[in-house]
Amino acid sequence: EDKVVQSPLSLVVHEGDTVTLNCSYEVTNFRSLLWYKQEKKAPTFLFMLTSSGIEKKSGRLSSILDKKELFSILNITATQTGDSAIYLCAGGGATNKLIFGTGTLLAVQP
Amino acid sequence: NAGVMQNPRHLVRRRGQEARLRCSPMKGHSHVYWYRQLPEEGLKFMVYLQKENIIDESGMPKERFSAEFPKEGPSILRIQQVVRGDSAAYFCASSPLDSWAGELFFGEGSRLTVL
Repeated sequence: EDKVVQSPLSLVVHEGDTVTLNCSYEVTNFRSLLWYKQEKKAPTFLFMLTSSGIEKKSGRLSSILDKKELFSILNITATQTGDSAIYLCAGGGATNKLIFGTGTLLAVQP
Repeated sequence: NAGVMQNPRHLVRRRGQEARLRCSPMKGHSHVYWYRQLPEEGLKFMVYLQKENIIDESGMPKERFSAEFPKEGPSILRIQQVVRGDSAAYFCASSPLDSWAGELFFGEGSRLTVL
């Protein structure tokens, strides 16, 4: 059965810290890995990764995929209180559904 | 360009009643997906629809749940004879292509509470 596992489940840091969120996946006929940020509303898209070893970057956020180890990380540098959210990782396979992990709850304290 | 619109945002039903959740995809998107999020759990796929077609309903419970995406109007997720275990946030997402070819755009969800 396809599955996506995220760690840690939750994380509390102080503003300015750097965090690394982990995502491992087992998805049949894997095609892509996606990261979303969910505050108290709609999950918003962050990154889609399809190739190993190529870092995607957007401001203070970056992500990379390792297709050999079936693993992805999301890095956030110089965290701010506005980064507090649930970060969701999802794997996309041959079918049209995304398999989501349970998310990492990040709390950034002032 | 309006995003994915879901309504109602909050719905309260008593056990045995029916719940209807509506979703209008982003303009130009012809693919709609429904996901359910239970407390402390991730988003679980329910169904994938294109206009007038159910493409993949492998995540739908066998009974009481149905979905449609008519030629005109929003996609509807219908839950008949609701039970307490149906209480959850139901998210709709849309894409212009199959999900593996691009990201999904999510609505803000409909939160169903069954009393």
